[in-house]
Amino acid sequence: ELKVEQNPLFLSMQEGKNYTIYCNYSTTSDRLYWYRQDPGKSLESLFVLLSNGAVKQEGRLMASLDTKARLSTLHITAAVHDLSATYFCAVEDDKIIFGKGTRLHILP
Amino acid sequence: DARVTQTPRHKVTEMGQEVTMRCQPILGHNTVFWYRQTMMQGLELLAYFRNRAPLDDSGMPKDRFSAEMPDATLATLKIQPSEPRDSAVYFCASGFPYRVNTEAFFGQGTRLTVV
Repeated sequence: ELKVEQNPLFLSMQEGKNYTIYCNYSTTSDRLYWYRQDPGKSLESLFVLLSNGAVKQEGRLMASLDTKARLSTLHITAAVHDLSATYFCAVEDDKIIFGKGTRLHILP
Repeated sequence: DARVTQTPRHKVTEMGQEVTMRCQPILGHNTVFWYRQTMMQGLELLAYFRNRAPLDDSGMPKDRFSAEMPDATLATLKIQPSEPRDSAVYFCASGFPYRVNTEAFFGQGTRLTVV
C-alpha cells in the first residue's frame, strides 16, 4: 500500500527565514506533485516532478525529487506572509495519494 | 477556462437522508478521483475511474457509499443513508495520468454537513 508521509505537519516561522518541508513515500513512483490549499479553498497545483533529480522553482518556492531516496522537498526561501497555507505532496502510482499536509504559518 | 465543476457547493442534510454529489471533469481528462477531506484524516482517496470504469473504490464505506460515471462528463458520489460522521468536504479531481507535465485538477469541493 502506497504511503506518503510529510513532515513537519505544522510549521510556524518568521518572515525572511528559510525552511524545508519533507515528503517521503513508499513506492517506486517517479511522479510527484505539490499542492497548496488556503483555508476553506480547494487545492491548487504548484509543481509537477516527473523524474529523478527534477527541480522546479516558482518565486520563493523550490521543489525537488530524489526517486532513489523516495524523497521530495519543498524549500521556502525568505518566507513572506502570503505563503501561509497548507502544502500537500502527492504521489502518483496509478492512483494519487496525498500526504497529511504541512500547515505553514508565517509570522510578520 | 477549463475547470472541474462540483455541485452542490454546500449541503446540509439530516441523518438518514440520501446525498448525491456531482462532478463535471475537465473535457478530455480520462481519470476522475473522489477525495474526502477532514481535519482528522486529511485527504482520503475514496474512489477513482479511468475511461469511466471504476478502478478502485476500496476507500469507500461499501454499505452506504456508491460512485458512478454515467458518462464522460459526469461523475456522481452518493451516500445513502447519510450519517453525521460523513460530514466533510468532498473533492472531485480529474487528470490524464502518464501524460507529460499533467497533474490532477481539483474542483471547489462540496461541503457536507449531516445533522
